[in-house]
Amino acid sequence: EPEVTQTPSHQVTQMGQEVILRCVPISNHLYFYWYRQILGQKVEFLVSFYNNEISEKSEIFDDQFSVERPDGSNFTLKIRSTKLEDSAMYFCASSEATGTNYEQYFGPGTRLTVT
Amino acid sequence: AQTVTQSQPEMSVQEAETVTLSCTYDTSESDYYLFWYKQPPSRQMILVIRQEAYKQQNATENRFSVNFQKAAKSFSLKISDSQLGDAAMYFCAYRSALRAGNMLTFGGGTRLMVKP
Repeated sequence: EPEVTQTPSHQVTQMGQEVILRCVPISNHLYFYWYRQILGQKVEFLVSFYNNEISEKSEIFDDQFSVERPDGSNFTLKIRSTKLEDSAMYFCASSEATGTNYEQYFGPGTRLTVT
Repeated sequence: AQTVTQSQPEMSVQEAETVTLSCTYDTSESDYYLFWYKQPPSRQMILVIRQEAYKQQNATENRFSVNFQKAAKSFSLKISDSQLGDAAMYFCAYRSALRAGNMLTFGGGTRLMVKP
């Protein structure tokens, strides 16, 4: 069964460094998402992406975040200058389309630790 | 803004018994979707069941069913004949049918433990 994959599974970085989290969505999916989950807290929406544009973003997704689909398969989340509070699990998701019958499939997540 | 609340941080159930997980939400929208996701220790979230707000009939998927009370803004998940593999975090989620971004708003989660 097709699945969303994410790399790396765990990333450790120093405060102020740039990180890029990578995701490979399911191949025929057109909508892509990033969510994050700070340890012990809710899963929070960051951004959705369709047709090479951001469809929606949350207040968390400020200028230090950006997303890109650099080629036909990858979808990346870049954090320009990491802060301690960026430490979290980051989940990528994708869906074929919108509507109830098109569920969002989640990847296994990347654990980001900022020291 | 929509909010989703899960008032039970932890629940436990005996294997083969039935358990109900609670979820309430707040919205001013009339058209939306509700979901229950399961997050096992492997951490990949899996969709368990979904409900369209315009449908009065409660959704069922094998051992999983929901009790959707639109007026009360309540969306509980019932797991029948609980199995050890049901042990996981369960998240209730809301998605607007009106917004383009398809964003999911999650509750805080309920950790379900299944006792053999």
